[in-house]
Amino acid sequence: EAGVAQSPRYKIIEKRQSVAFWCNPISGHATLYWYQQILGQGPKLLIQFQNNGVVDDSQLPKDRFSAERLKGVDSTLKIQPAKLEDSAVYLCASSLVGSIEAFFGQGTRLTVV
Amino acid sequence: AQSVTQLGSHVSVSEGALVLLRCNYSSSVPPYLFWYVQYPNQGLQLLLKYTSAATLVKGINGFEAEFKKSETSFHLTKPSAHMSDAAEYFCAVSGNTGNQFYFGTGTSLTVIP
Repeated sequence: EAGVAQSPRYKIIEKRQSVAFWCNPISGHATLYWYQQILGQGPKLLIQFQNNGVVDDSQLPKDRFSAERLKGVDSTLKIQPAKLEDSAVYLCASSLVGSIEAFFGQGTRLTVV
Repeated sequence: AQSVTQLGSHVSVSEGALVLLRCNYSSSVPPYLFWYVQYPNQGLQLLLKYTSAATLVKGINGFEAEFKKSETSFHLTKPSAHMSDAAEYFCAVSGNTGNQFYFGTGTSLTVIP
């Protein structure tokens, strides 16, 4: 079974530029999460989708971050404009509805210079 | 609300020695508890999970954890450390199915030959 796919693996951008990350969840997983993991910290939820609807985006900095999950499968997370403090690993995870277990992708490491 | 506290951001053990990584949780509802491992430049891999069945949970790679409600703890142990166990370990709590995970700040395990 294929796991959660994320791309790119690494990205370096200058501050004030924009960037987008892509996630393809495990087939059949209706729930999709985006987490931000800053160096030295645990992952923090940015947004949670169920199918193509948003379940929780209370910790998403909406002035610069946006996410969508068209057709309830793939998802993109965008940052515009990026700030230095956005440097982090962005993890995507997915799970079956009603399951307590989530499966994580390898993440995208973003460096903002 | 849910949260976890991991005591000790860095733990060093000798190869063959006992591994003990500490996690205390706070939850307003019966919790689901998890331990994840993260190797360098990798995503999170589930080691084990507590789902209110047996309080002693066995996971992969010889790890186990015991849920102690009276102590609000879910410490991770392994009888004999192996060099390949060197990684970052995260404890996480979830309050219900489909809910987000709240992660601790992580414990970096070093195994000394």
